[in-house]
Amino acid sequence: GNSVTQMEGPVTLSEEAFLTINCTYTATGYPSLFWYVQYPGEGLQLLLKATKADDKGSNKGFEATYRKETTSFHLEKGSVQVSDSAVYFCALIIQGAQKLVFGQGTRLTINP
Amino acid sequence: GAVVSQHPSWVICKSGTSVKIECRSLDFQATTMFWYRQFPKQSLMLMATSNEGSKATYEQGVEKDKFLINHASLTLSTLTVTSAHPEDSSFYICSATSGRTSYNEQFFGPGTRLTVL
Repeated sequence: GNSVTQMEGPVTLSEEAFLTINCTYTATGYPSLFWYVQYPGEGLQLLLKATKADDKGSNKGFEATYRKETTSFHLEKGSVQVSDSAVYFCALIIQGAQKLVFGQGTRLTINP
Repeated sequence: GAVVSQHPSWVICKSGTSVKIECRSLDFQATTMFWYRQFPKQSLMLMATSNEGSKATYEQGVEKDKFLINHASLTLSTLTVTSAHPEDSSFYICSATSGRTSYNEQFFGPGTRLTVL
């Protein structure tokens, strides 16, 4: 089946630290990959996406590269800010299908 | 960008009553809407997929008579939690897309927090 596994949280970092949140997937077809962010009390916002192997998605200083050989889509940011504190979800959708499959989410807290 | 709204943003109700949650696409026509449920500190669980003008498709384990979904127009879908009980308390999130393939991005509403007393 299709599934997404994320690095378990919570993750706590100091401001300006380097961030990596690991995400790996299994898919029966050819997936598009996404990172969503959820701020406290809010719905999900698309952070970045990649639709084919070796594509790099980027937004707001975050990056993730679609690695087909390792079935991974790790999220990185070089210098985190307090405002990045949120829950981050990795997700996939099989191209041609409708359903998003989410990972379990990783709660990130950035301390000043 | 595309905007999806939900109403109400939060609701408290007594056990045994029914609650209706609305999901609207404000600036695009949503041929497909999705309803998710999110428990505290957990991921989103897809409840059902709703295509305009047809019956919703429910995920395994979701009671269709308990969670009634109506997608009456291209901009509105409603989720009615019937005879709500405390275990139905949760955060309900909808999303909408303008197409029926994965190439069309899903846009998420801000969520509705339901508390059943």
